Amino acid sequence: RKEVEQDPGPFNVPEGATVAFNCTYSNSASQSFFWYRQDCRKEPKLLMSVYSSGNEDGRFTAQLNRASQYISLLIRDSKLSDSATYLCVVNIWTGNQFYFGTGTSLTVIP
Amino acid sequence: GAVVSQHPSRVICKSGTSVKIECRSLDFQATTMFWYRQFPKQSLMLMATSNEGSKATYEQGVEKDKFLINHASLTLSTLTVTSAHPEDSSFYICSAWGTEETQYFGPGTRLLVL
Repeated sequence: RKEVEQDPGPFNVPEGATVAFNCTYSNSASQSFFWYRQDCRKEPKLLMSVYSSGNEDGRFTAQLNRASQYISLLIRDSKLSDSATYLCVVNIWTGNQFYFGTGTSLTVIP
Repeated sequence: GAVVSQHPSRVICKSGTSVKIECRSLDFQATTMFWYRQFPKQSLMLMATSNEGSKATYEQGVEKDKFLINHASLTLSTLTVTSAHPEDSSFYICSAWGTEETQYFGPGTRLLVL
């Protein structure tokens, strides 16, 4: 079983739509969680960390559910510039291991 | 966020030659850097963890004699792909711990082996 699993999509949504991505992780020892954004042929860039209490940054909201071992990312009022691949990343401090999901592809359509 | 640079950004080489990729942390010291490889339409795959002043830790299936890693200073790690073959063509990305207890990625190096 993969450490981190994501629905690869693609998600094609119209501008202004709200879209949500989920990501599940298998190791209950996982301690830090992140969403990265990766544009085509570019390196991943940190979008936001995910905290137990949930956190929001503008149009982006991240949630963590430790009991069910999943994290989510909600994007409101989608913009064309949100089109990218969103990577879920889980960190296990012991051994300093980072695990990446395969990414979810989002295309925002005019 | 922290800044990580990589050089070169792209390289084309002949089969059998060696290629060195540099990864630098520009505004912070990084005792640990990571090297990843990404094939088209796939996620990042960790190749090795590079520790300053000690040997790198390689992931299962990654040949340490083929992918030489040197982390000689707190701001520089190098990955050398020795005797490169076409199947080594890929996008190689390094990362380093920055603030916020997460990784910051270099811009990546596209390697094409002919």
